[in-house]
Amino acid sequence: AQSVTQLGSHVSVSEGALVLLRCNYSSSVPPYLFWYVQYPNQGLQLLLKYTSAATLVKGINGFEAEFKKSETSFHLTKPSAHMSDAAEYFCAVSHMDSSYKLIFGSGTRLLVRP
Amino acid sequence: GAGVSQSPSNKVTEKGKDVELRCDPISGHTALYWYRQSLGQGLEFLIYFQGNSAPDKSGLPSDRFSAERTGGSVSTLTIQRTQQEDSAVYLCASSLHSSDTEAFFGQGTRLTVV
Repeated sequence: AQSVTQLGSHVSVSEGALVLLRCNYSSSVPPYLFWYVQYPNQGLQLLLKYTSAATLVKGINGFEAEFKKSETSFHLTKPSAHMSDAAEYFCAVSHMDSSYKLIFGSGTRLLVRP
Repeated sequence: GAGVSQSPSNKVTEKGKDVELRCDPISGHTALYWYRQSLGQGLEFLIYFQGNSAPDKSGLPSDRFSAERTGGSVSTLTIQRTQQEDSAVYLCASSLHSSDTEAFFGQGTRLTVV
């Protein structure tokens, strides 16, 4: 079975500060890992994905994430937060043996203070 | 179309009524997923289609929920005898094929059962 844990339902940072959103996964088989962003009243937009290639994955809007198998983690980072980054972020896991359906974490709402 | 289209964007219905939610995936995408997003349960997988068949229905919460897909394109999610706990945002996603790890999401249908 697969599962995802996102630590911190809310994270608040100052504009220009480092963003770190934590994600840990549980999977009995090699996973595919994803970060999605959701702006108010909108659908989900893919930020980045890990599919067994490079462990450091770069995504859109300056975000990146590193797959660490030993820590079963896939934390999302951005060196300098922008006001437009304020949104809800979801980490997800999938696998070919489970129809590639996404199993989501509970989400982290990122607040950016001016 | 350019993206995944869902209709209606909002639906208010009375308890006990049936509702139909529509998803029009990206043209040529053979894989289609339905998810539900609610305050209490977060983002949950409902059902997966490959072409017109649904090899994974494991997320449907009760037999009041059903879905079909015709012509390998449009999908309809039907909820019979709606209950207040069915109130949620229903999201549809499509991907090019079943082994394509990138799913594109629609904007969702917000269902409110009163």
